[in-house]
Amino acid sequence: TQLLEQSPQFLSIQEGENLTVYCNSSSVFSSLQWYRQEPGEGPVLLVTVVTGGEVKKLKRLTFQFGDARKDSSLHITAAQPGDTGLYLCAGSSNFGNEKLTFGTGTRLTIIP
Amino acid sequence: DTGVSQNPRHKITKRGQNVTFRCDPISEHNRLYWYRQTLGQGPEFLTYFQNEAQLEKSRLLSDRFSAERPKGSFSTLEIQRTEQGDSAMYLCASSPRGDMGRGYTFGSGTRLTVV
Repeated sequence: TQLLEQSPQFLSIQEGENLTVYCNSSSVFSSLQWYRQEPGEGPVLLVTVVTGGEVKKLKRLTFQFGDARKDSSLHITAAQPGDTGLYLCAGSSNFGNEKLTFGTGTRLTIIP
Repeated sequence: DTGVSQNPRHKITKRGQNVTFRCDPISEHNRLYWYRQTLGQGPEFLTYFQNEAQLEKSRLLSDRFSAERPKGSFSTLEIQRTEQGDSAMYLCASSPRGDMGRGYTFGSGTRLTVV
């Protein structure tokens, strides 16, 4: 069974601060995705990374896929209250966009 | 396209009753997935379909659970003889085959409460 562990589990910071969320596994993934989920809604895709060492930027969010494709990180610069939510990483073990294994989640709260 | 639609949004049922949820995926997506999410946790895989074929089922999907996608369009998830441990958010997602960059599109989920 592939497991994705996220850290920290909870994070509460002041508006304007920077933060990093980690997603780690002992398994190799062909691709890894990050989602954000609001209360009472389904997760929404933020980014997909597929190449070891790949870095993608989405405005103030920077995503990195580890060289060995076993881990990933999400860095948020100058956090805003709108960044509040549950951040989930999810890995696929093949290139066919089939079953995703989701991480345990990081609940982020940005305090105005 | 209106995205992935799930009905009902909320369901409260008594223990032992049967419940059925419906998912309408994005029309051009041929893959459909069911996940279960409990409070504060990431979604857990239940099953997925490619068109009308059910290609994989999780061990989490006991004999009380059954899913169908009869014409390769909408899907239903039925839980028979519900138990309190079945209380969770049931999420449906769809994706186009082979296009991993676009990820899953999730519905808003059906929150089941078994009392």
